[in-house]
Amino acid sequence: DVQLVESGGGLVQPGGSLRLSCAASGFNFGSFWMHWVRQAPGKGLVWVSRMNTDGRITDYADSVRGRFTIYRDNAKDTLYLQMSSLRAEDTAVYYCIRDLAGRGGFWGQGTLVTVSS
Amino acid sequence: DIVMTQSPISLSVTPGEPASISCRSSQSPLHSNGKYFFDWYLQKPGQPPRLLIYGGSYRASGVPDRFSGSGSGTDFTLKISRVEAEDVGVFYCMQGLETPYTFGQGTKLEIK
Repeated sequence: DVQLVESGGGLVQPGGSLRLSCAASGFNFGSFWMHWVRQAPGKGLVWVSRMNTDGRITDYADSVRGRFTIYRDNAKDTLYLQMSSLRAEDTAVYYCIRDLAGRGGFWGQGTLVTVSS
Repeated sequence: DIVMTQSPISLSVTPGEPASISCRSSQSPLHSNGKYFFDWYLQKPGQPPRLLIYGGSYRASGVPDRFSGSGSGTDFTLKISRVEAEDVGVFYCMQGLETPYTFGQGTKLEIK
């Protein structure tokens, strides 16, 4: 079965850093574009970032560009999101998604990031 | 950015009755290859979103055939032929033609 398991969320102070991980299994991870989407408590969905199959192409939402870095390790079947200079407005559940906007779209369960002092 | 606007924001439907949700995009999500980069998702309470429809009208694997997607240009519709209690949640449309990918604000479906 396809699985995406996010981890690394938690409570962090404003200005702090956090690294999220997304462990993939059940499919050929290296063949898919991967994305991060976030959802603030009680709010809608917001696209954050994407990376192509070999890691050479990345895109970011304006709100996180320069603060967040997406990367992947295809040998470990894992996607990452390095987040720095965190702000209260970054508080959200972060979802890892395979093939967003494609026929193989699949979402992980998400990991909660809370930015608060 | 491409703006996605859904309507209605909420709807209450009797089980067995049909339902329809509209989504309008500020620019067409049609790629030069002729395919629409337009999806519908359902987020049930306490769960991540699940892909229902991709490419504007193609049902994702395992999605019941009571769900159908249609539309062209900038106007798209999700139809549920017979609503069931398990369909409760929030439906989102999304364009994936260009970054930033953008979602509609969501349509909350409740059961009468």
